[in-house]
Amino acid sequence: KAGVTQTPRYLIKTRGQQVTLSCSPISGHRSVSWYQQTPGQGLQFLFEYFSETQRNKGNFPGRFSGRQFSNSRSEMNVSTLELGDSALYLCASSFDSQKQYFGPGTRLTVT
Amino acid sequence: GENVEQHPSTLSVQEGDSAVIKCTYSDSASNYFPWYKQELGKGPQLIIDIRSNVGEKKDQRIAVTLNKTAKHFSLHITETQPEDSAVYFCAASSPGTYKYIFGTGTRLKVLA
Repeated sequence: KAGVTQTPRYLIKTRGQQVTLSCSPISGHRSVSWYQQTPGQGLQFLFEYFSETQRNKGNFPGRFSGRQFSNSRSEMNVSTLELGDSALYLCASSFDSQKQYFGPGTRLTVT
Repeated sequence: GENVEQHPSTLSVQEGDSAVIKCTYSDSASNYFPWYKQELGKGPQLIIDIRSNVGEKKDQRIAVTLNKTAKHFSLHITETQPEDSAVYFCAASSPGTYKYIFGTGTRLKVLA
């Protein structure tokens, strides 16, 4: 089976812009989670989707949003980018909502 | 709030020696504990996991132990090899939360 894929792999944006990141889960997985990884804060949970429904959301401002489509693919959006949003954004998919498999991540740099 | 502490932050061992990484969780409802290995430029890779109804699990050179009473779990790597060098993360998950709380990571260096 193909693993979790994320696009794009690298992104450079300017403060104030918005960005959309995409994640395709492993075939058959209906749960998709997003995490932000930074050197200072480590791995932090953003949100989780299952069958197009957000089931949990982490402690991030409303500028961070996401959605899931009927084919389980997911996108996350960050509006009004800030320098502190520079991070590796990781997507993980799961069949049973516990064992999660991560993609390679999207490296976002905000200048 | 929910928290997972992980120690040590860095660990250097000689090739062939064993490595042990320890984590402590705060949420007594946690019932699933995965371990991930992250190499430079890659996403975390699931290497082993354990559920709260099991005390120990082994997969070749890797083992995980869980002490529910003390809320501790540990990763044991035996006969370490240079390719084991990476950052290792522990995590804990509680029923119905659909999320992991991660530890802060351990950078393991295996010296040849």
